[in-house]
Amino acid sequence: GAVVSQHPSRVICKSGTSVKIECRSLDFQATTMFWYRQFPKKSLMLMATSNEGSKATYEQGVEKDKFLINHASLTLSTLTVTSAHPEDSSFYICSAWPGQGWETQYFGPGTRLLVL
Amino acid sequence: GENVEQHPSTLSVQEGDSAVIKCTYSDSASNYFPWYKQELGKRPQLIIDIRSNVGEKKDQRIAVTLNKTAKHFSLHITETQPEDSAVYFCAASNTGNQFYFGTGTSLTVIP
Repeated sequence: GAVVSQHPSRVICKSGTSVKIECRSLDFQATTMFWYRQFPKKSLMLMATSNEGSKATYEQGVEKDKFLINHASLTLSTLTVTSAHPEDSSFYICSAWPGQGWETQYFGPGTRLLVL
Repeated sequence: GENVEQHPSTLSVQEGDSAVIKCTYSDSASNYFPWYKQELGKRPQLIIDIRSNVGEKKDQRIAVTLNKTAKHFSLHITETQPEDSAVYFCAASNTGNQFYFGTGTSLTVIP
């Protein structure tokens, strides 16, 4: 099946620093990649949708200057949490969608971010 | 836009019993309905999906039914086992690169 990797799996950083999370589709090309945030025991909250070569579409309430998304190629998207604060601590999950008709999106393993 | 509601939010069943999780959607243009299972700290994994041209689909102990007229779809797990314990999410998509998730159901199977 389709594989999506995410790196790093876990990161601890100081408040005020920036953190970059990579999402890669390993064996398929992803027309679209999604970034989600998930709080403990809660559903997936869509943050933004990114299509290769174009600007990401952010959901209402998500600060695009805070969460920078770059979809540089059909296999790589990055999320940068800029000037991270403790309230940004969360589980971030990406997913990749092949973009062909009726097909599911494939999720990365997630990144646990802890901002001290 | 699409609105997906999922019930119940928590569900406990005895091992061997059946579990049913229901979702409703609002957008009649939605035509693809996947179900995901997420274990604690892990990624959501697709367990079954159904397309709008099908009313029911089964894969071993798991089945999904779709009622397009009523705009609802359900996940059925039979002969539940402790390893079925997880959070289950439904989703609806119009295959236009948008997926809308339900709020999740935490299933506990009691041995």
